[in-house]
Amino acid sequence: KNEVEQSPQNLTAQEGEFITINCSYSVGISALHWLQQHPGGGIVSLFMLSSGKKKHGRLIATINIQEKHSSLHITASHPRDSAVYICAVTAGNQFYFGTGTSLTVIP
Amino acid sequence: DGGITQSPKYLFRKEGQNVTLSCEQNLNHDAMYWYRQDPGQGLRLIYYSQIVNDFQKGDIAEGYSVSREKKESFPLTVTSAQKNPTAFYLCASSTSVNTEAFFGQGTRLTVV
Repeated sequence: KNEVEQSPQNLTAQEGEFITINCSYSVGISALHWLQQHPGGGIVSLFMLSSGKKKHGRLIATINIQEKHSSLHITASHPRDSAVYICAVTAGNQFYFGTGTSLTVIP
Repeated sequence: DGGITQSPKYLFRKEGQNVTLSCEQNLNHDAMYWYRQDPGQGLRLIYYSQIVNDFQKGDIAEGYSVSREKKESFPLTVTSAQKNPTAFYLCASSTSVNTEAFFGQGTRLTVV
C-alpha cells in the first residue's frame, strides 16, 4: 500500500468548472506538498502546508491533520490548468509521493 | 535566476553503457534528491544527499551511483547493472526535507 493515495486518477472538466483533487496519507507527516507536472515533465511546487488552508490565485489547498487528508481545489478552471497534480508528504527525512491526478480541462 | 537545472533533457544510450545525468542548483540548498518516474507510478527515490560528501540510498538505489563533491552538484550515474533504465529521471533540492522542494525539468533516458 502506498503511503500517499490520490483520487481521482484522471479527471476531465469543462472550462469554468470547480475542480477538487483529494489526497489521503497514512504516515505521520511534517508537511504536505501539492505539485504540478506539465506534459514536458518539469514539476512546480504549488503549495506546502502543515495545517489549515492556503490560497494562491485560483488554487486553494486544505489539510485536515486529524483525518490525514488534503484537497486541492481549482476555481474557474482553464485549459492551461491541464496537467498532472501530485500530492507529496514529508515524513522522517524523506518525501513520499502519490501517483498523481491527470487533469484535462476542455475549452 | 536561481533554480535547478538538469541536463540533457533527452538521452539515448546503448544497453550495457554507463550514463551520467547532470543536476546543478544555485539555490544554496543542502539537500538534493534523485527520483525515477515510470508511467502510472509515483516518484520513487533513488538517492538523496543532505550535505556535501554524504549521500544515502533510497528505495531503488540498485544499479545507480551518485556523488556529492560540491553543494551545487549531484550527478547520477545509471550503470549497466540497472536492469530497466529507460525512465524519466527528476532531480530536486530543498533547504532541508521539511521545506519546499524545487524540481528540475527532468531527463528522459532511453536505453536501446
